Amino acid sequence: QVQLQESGPGLVKPSETLSLTCSVSGDSIRSGGHYWSWIRQHPGKGVQWIGYIFYTGTTSYNSALKSRVVISVHTSKNQFSLKLNSVTAADTAIYYCARTSTVTTPLFDYWGQGILVTVSS
Amino acid sequence: YVLTQPPSVSVAPGQTATITCAGNNIGSKSVHWYQQKAGQAPVLVVYIDTDRPSGIPERFSGSNSGKTATLTISRVEVGDEADYYCQVWESSSDEGVFGGGTKLTVL
Repeated sequence: QVQLQESGPGLVKPSETLSLTCSVSGDSIRSGGHYWSWIRQHPGKGVQWIGYIFYTGTTSYNSALKSRVVISVHTSKNQFSLKLNSVTAADTAIYYCARTSTVTTPLFDYWGQGILVTVSS
Repeated sequence: YVLTQPPSVSVAPGQTATITCAGNNIGSKSVHWYQQKAGQAPVLVVYIDTDRPSGIPERFSGSNSGKTATLTISRVEVGDEADYYCQVWESSSDEGVFGGGTKLTVL
């Protein structure tokens, strides 16, 4: 059974960098069978895709966040990570990591439980 | 690329719920649908317009044509109460796009 688990600080100060890690079990990032995405949800609001990474390091980002986002992969640990810099209160959200299937067009077939990150001083 | 969903849909138990997702020429794209219950992560319920992942009841079905994709839930149950999101992939920019979500209330 594929499982994803987000980890990282739940509180980040404005202007600093948000850093999260997603640990994957039940599938190997290195196998190359899927992409791996970060997705966020502002409290009480809709869902926003942030970006994905492939095991080779190939990435794609949401154009609205591209200037502030870096997604990295750590195949030896079967993990991938998110860094979002220069955060503001508008970045307060639940952050999810998700396996991204590309059978046809990409979709998100397994999700982590999500981690709430609050941006506040 | 913008996907537009109605903010809310209400239906009585046993009836049929219809949730729409509108987008420019959406009929030419593959649409996926997710169910998100309160306090939980989204779950895929329909993919590539009409297919269901294993474990999803046959009561969930989808269609896509022209400017609108539709998620239909037949014989609605109280347990179907949730937010529902449509999603497509914008190939020109290689980005995922979600609709704003529809809150299904079972009266």
